[in-house]
Amino acid sequence: DAKTTQPTSMDCAEGRAANLPCNHSTISGNEYVYWYRQIHSQGPQYIIHGLKNNETNEMASLIITEDRKSSTLILPHATLRDTAVYYCIAMYSSASKIIFGSGTRLSIRP
Amino acid sequence: EPEVTQTPSHQVTQMGQEVILRCVPISNHLYFYWYRQILGQKVEFLVSFYNNEISEKSEIFDDQFSVERPDGSNFTLKIRSTKLEDSAMYFCASRDLLATNEKLFFGSGTQLSVL
Repeated sequence: DAKTTQPTSMDCAEGRAANLPCNHSTISGNEYVYWYRQIHSQGPQYIIHGLKNNETNEMASLIITEDRKSSTLILPHATLRDTAVYYCIAMYSSASKIIFGSGTRLSIRP
Repeated sequence: EPEVTQTPSHQVTQMGQEVILRCVPISNHLYFYWYRQILGQKVEFLVSFYNNEISEKSEIFDDQFSVERPDGSNFTLKIRSTKLEDSAMYFCASRDLLATNEKLFFGSGTQLSVL
């Protein structure tokens, strides 16, 4: 799986959009970009994934650059409940495991 | 939304004792996992399980660990002789490889404390 690089921590004001960057410059053509988050000590939670095109679901949007070397997860209207560690993972969809890195600790301030 | 269920939520045991952590994956899922997270550290992969056998395991998953799918619904992690350093949150996860969205669903975890 390609290595990903994320900032250690970020903060965002409640109600504003939270934009979480991820670099994956060595990603291969068939590797997807997945985002998960972990709220406090709960189990990680899937957010979104994509290959080439931008994706949107009820939780977030994923913007992938044309060269696929980086991506941004967007939480459009951050709430206090979005405070969590966010993990960006590059992997094949058929991969037998997910390897979590250190992620970005996102703090939402009131 | 369907859930992965883990029991117990907390387990306290004495060093050297055997523990079994239990998980009920989502019913139509085919791939099962165990992860652990020591307090303040990363979520670490332990083992993946598919078609009634281990698909992949990490260096952490040594001879003290074993997994089993004893029936059609449960998936268990056994630690034969617990050590202090086994104290961690253990997460079970499952995945449906036949779906187009092959995301992992995680349980809420079992907090294991070895005294």
